[in-house]
Amino acid sequence: EPEVTQTPSHQVTQMGQEVILRCVPISNHLYFYWYRQILGQKVEFLVSFYNNEISEKSEIFDDQFSVERPDGSNFTLKIRSTKLEDSAMYFCASTLLWNQPQHFGDGTRLSIL
Amino acid sequence: GQQLNQSPQSMFIQEGEDVSMNCTSSSIFNTWLWYKQDPGEGPVLLIALYKAGELTSNGRLTAQFGITRKDSFLNISASIPSDVGIYFCAGQSSNTGKLIFGQGTTLQVKP
Repeated sequence: EPEVTQTPSHQVTQMGQEVILRCVPISNHLYFYWYRQILGQKVEFLVSFYNNEISEKSEIFDDQFSVERPDGSNFTLKIRSTKLEDSAMYFCASTLLWNQPQHFGDGTRLSIL
Repeated sequence: GQQLNQSPQSMFIQEGEDVSMNCTSSSIFNTWLWYKQDPGEGPVLLIALYKAGELTSNGRLTAQFGITRKDSFLNISASIPSDVGIYFCAGQSSNTGKLIFGQGTTLQVKP
């Protein structure tokens, strides 16, 4: 069964550094998402992306965050200047249509030192 | 903003027992979803509900979409040790597909 893959599984970064989290959504999917989960808390929506542009973003997704689909397969989340509070699991998800269930990757654990 | 209240927060049950958990919201959702998350992994879809009043089963799991579209429950019958994990409800109302998640129910099953 096709799946969403995320790399790396764990990223350790110094505060203030830039970090790029990578995702390969399911190949025929058209809608892409990033969520984050702070340890022990619920999953929170960050951003949705369709037709090469952001369709919705949350308050968490401020100017330090950006997303990109640089080619036909990858979907990336960039944090320009990381803060301690950015430490979390980041999940990528994708779906063929916006009203169909989203398929999640196994996440990238981001640790900011 | 939209919020989902999920309860109970945690459950510790004996193998073979039935389990019930639910989510409520002050907002209306068009779709309710139930996911399970194992340690170190992403959420995995269990059941999707699309119509108010809909009752759907997936093996030992049964979920219902409340008539008011503001609530949903998930039942697990005859629990087994591999049911251990965190169960999340999620609601969808935006036409961008954004999911709002509940706080999760941690299930532990004693063999």
